[in-house]
Amino acid sequence: EPEVTQTPSHQVTQMGQEVILRCVPISNHLYFYWYRQILGQKVEFLVSFYNNEISEKSEIFDDQFSVERPDGSNFTLKIRSTKLEDSAMYFCASKLVLDTQYFGPGTRLTVL
Amino acid sequence: KQEVTQIPAALSVPEGENLVLNCSFTDSAIYNLQWFRQDPGKGLTSLLLIQSSQREQTSGRLNASLDKSSGRSTLYIAASQPGDSATYLCAPDGDDKIIFGKGTRLHILP
Repeated sequence: EPEVTQTPSHQVTQMGQEVILRCVPISNHLYFYWYRQILGQKVEFLVSFYNNEISEKSEIFDDQFSVERPDGSNFTLKIRSTKLEDSAMYFCASKLVLDTQYFGPGTRLTVL
Repeated sequence: KQEVTQIPAALSVPEGENLVLNCSFTDSAIYNLQWFRQDPGKGLTSLLLIQSSQREQTSGRLNASLDKSSGRSTLYIAASQPGDSATYLCAPDGDDKIIFGKGTRLHILP
């Protein structure tokens, strides 16, 4: 069964460094998403992406965040200058059209 | 703006009991609703998906119902087992994003 994959599973970085979280959505899917979950808190929507552009973003998704689909298979989330409060689990999801979103296993980001 | 409330926030019961977890949401314009399971420090495991046109879905000991017009969903767990201990998340999908509830933290006592 097709699945969403994410790499790395755990990323440790120093405050102020740039990180790129990678996702490979299900191959024929058209809509892509990033969510995050700070430890002990609920899962929060960050951004949705369709037709090579952002379709919606939350107030969390400020100028330090960006998304890209560089090669038609990967979907990336870049954090330009990480802060301690960016430490969280980041989930990628994809869907075909008006059906369910399929979630990846997550990347745990630790900012020191 | 969609708001999702899950009750109770935590539940601790002895093994073998039947359980009902409740979810309410404010915006009924949803495509579907998923129930997820999350173990501590782990990812999201999709348990059941109910399309907006459906009333319920069943998988094994799990049954989820959806009353879209009233903004309610319930997850019923039959004959609970210690392995069911986890956090259960209600996730209505609409307006191009999923809004998650805070979850119900379930602890099944052996």
